This record gives sequence, structure tokens and C-alpha cells, in this order.
Amino acid sequence: DVKVTQSSRYLVKRTGEKVFLECVQDMDHENMFWYRQDPGLGLRLIYFSYDVKMKEKGDIPEGYSVSREKKERFSLILESASTNQTSMYLCASSSGGTKPPYFGPGTRLTVL
Amino acid sequence: AQKVTQAQTEISVVEKEDVTLDCVYETRDTTYYLFWYKQPPSGELVFLIRRNSFDEQNEISGRYSWNFQKSTSSFNFTITASQVVDSAVYFCAPHILTGGGNKLTFGTGTQLKVEL
Repeated sequence: DVKVTQSSRYLVKRTGEKVFLECVQDMDHENMFWYRQDPGLGLRLIYFSYDVKMKEKGDIPEGYSVSREKKERFSLILESASTNQTSMYLCASSSGGTKPPYFGPGTRLTVL
Repeated sequence: AQKVTQAQTEISVVEKEDVTLDCVYETRDTTYYLFWYKQPPSGELVFLIRRNSFDEQNEISGRYSWNFQKSTSSFNFTITASQVVDSAVYFCAPHILTGGGNKLTFGTGTQLKVEL
């Protein structure tokens, strides 16, 4: 089975802190994604990566950056966390083409 | 520009009722794929189905069926004889090809509540 894991289920940080959200997949997938989910807005794509060291902006990249140094790991970075970044963050991976992404359990981030 | 609409924010039904979740996808592309995902209360999204724009045959999997009509840009999902375990948020997600890879965009989701 495809396994996508995220480093934390719940995270509480303070405004201005640098925050790292980690995602690891074990199926050698080329594509990895970061979404955030907010009530009434569904899932919105922040960034995605289709290869090591490659990244592409999604629909809402402002305030975020990403890193993909190894194929299995995709990190989302909040350089200076703000309260409007309080959200559920979902990581996903896929093998490319039109294969469906598989999702991790999510990280609920609260920024105080 | 593409646009996906799930007009139903929340639906409540009584167990054993049939329920249809609507999805409308507007695009100028002639070739595309559409996905449905389920998000139960536990939070993890579960892939349900993928259909392409060439295939307008209905698809049935157990109590689930999908009706894709290209002429109306609709890709609706029907649950027959609903059960409490079907309570979840359901997302319709069109697949978009980009220069470097592929990505899914998601509708806003429909919250389905199935009550006894």
C-alpha cells in the first residue's frame, strides 16, 4: 500500500516562527503536493514538485516555500508564520501522468 | 480558465435513501480527467474514481455510481441505499496538465450526513 506520512498531526506555533512541515512517501513517486484545507474553501494547492529539486507554484504560494532534496521527502516551509496560516495542511504524492494522488493524514497547524 | 463547482455545501439524508452529489467542471480543454475523493471524519482523503473526458459510460462500483455528461460538463456521484458510514465530505477534482507535471484542483466539497 502507498504510504504518505506527515511529521505531525497537530502543531502549535507562534507568530513569526519558522515552521517546517515534513512529508515522506515510500512508493518512489515522482510527484508530490502540498495543499491547505479551510472550511468553505476546499483544498487549495500551495506548491507541487514533479522531480527532485523541481518545484512549481500552485494557487496560493504566498508566504510558503518548499524543498525537495530527496525523492521521497517534500518539505513545506513557513518562513515567518502568521495567524492566517492556521489551517489543515495535506501532503500527497502520485506516480505521475493521470494517476491519482495519495494523501497523508494531514497536519493541523495553529499559529498563535 | 477551468472552474469546478460543487453547488451543494451540505446534504442530509436518512439511511437507505439514495443521494446524488453534483459536480460541474467548466473547461475549454477537450481532454481531461475528473476524480472523486472521500474525506471521512478521520480526515484522510481516499481516492474513489477517475474518469476521462472520452468515456461517458456510467460506472458502477457496489453502491456507488458515476454519471459523466460532457455536454453539460457534469460528473455526478450517486450513492444507493446510503449508510451511516458514507457520512463524509466528498470532493470532485479535475486533473490539469501543466508544463512540468500534473496537478489536481479541488472543488469546495459536499458534506454528506447520513442519519439513522
